[in-house]
Amino acid sequence: DGGITQSPKYLFRKEGQNVTLSCEQNLNHDAMYWYRQDPGQGLRLIYYSQIVNDFQKGDIAEGYSVSREKKESFPLTVTSAQKNPTAFYLCASSTRSEQFFGPGTRLTVL
Amino acid sequence: QKEVEQNSGPLSVPEGAIASLNCTYSDRGSQSFFWYRQYSGKSPELIMSIYSNGDKEDGRFTAQLNKASQYVSLLIRDSQPSDSATYLCAVNVLTAGNKLTFGGGTRVLVKP
Repeated sequence: DGGITQSPKYLFRKEGQNVTLSCEQNLNHDAMYWYRQDPGQGLRLIYYSQIVNDFQKGDIAEGYSVSREKKESFPLTVTSAQKNPTAFYLCASSTRSEQFFGPGTRLTVL
Repeated sequence: QKEVEQNSGPLSVPEGAIASLNCTYSDRGSQSFFWYRQYSGKSPELIMSIYSNGDKEDGRFTAQLNKASQYVSLLIRDSQPSDSATYLCAVNVLTAGNKLTFGGGTRVLVKP
């Protein structure tokens, strides 16, 4: 059963903590992406990776970090430097231009 | 000027009517165009892709692309209450690799 999985579904973070969001895909897609969505807003690109061991900053990379050690995995770390991290985080993957999304992780800062 | 613009809505349509959604984009180098449907609290789902000028039909959905005027539209025929969602327009620019730029979305409400 091919798809994109994200975990956890809900995540609560205390101020000053780093947290890591998981994204895994078994679609054999080369490219993977992380987006952030705030209430009533569109999607904003945080980081993307087109091949293993390579990634680029998107439009709002400050306060976030990623790694791409395996084709299937693209974890996102939300660091304490991200001042307003409460949002819905979406991971996507693609082969050519069509992107498909995972179910998302809803992060709340307490 | 935003790169991809959509009317935020809500667009209210009676059940059985046609919902018409519009999206304009600023980059003339845009090559690929997508419509996603997003239910409240859920992730976006790809419903249409269009790459060349003209119409593309898939079931009750029709995407229309006009590169000269820099707009792409989505028609939903025989609208159902289950079509109530936010519809996101996304555009890919060839020189930007596989990156997509998203509009803010149009909220559609289909009333029985």
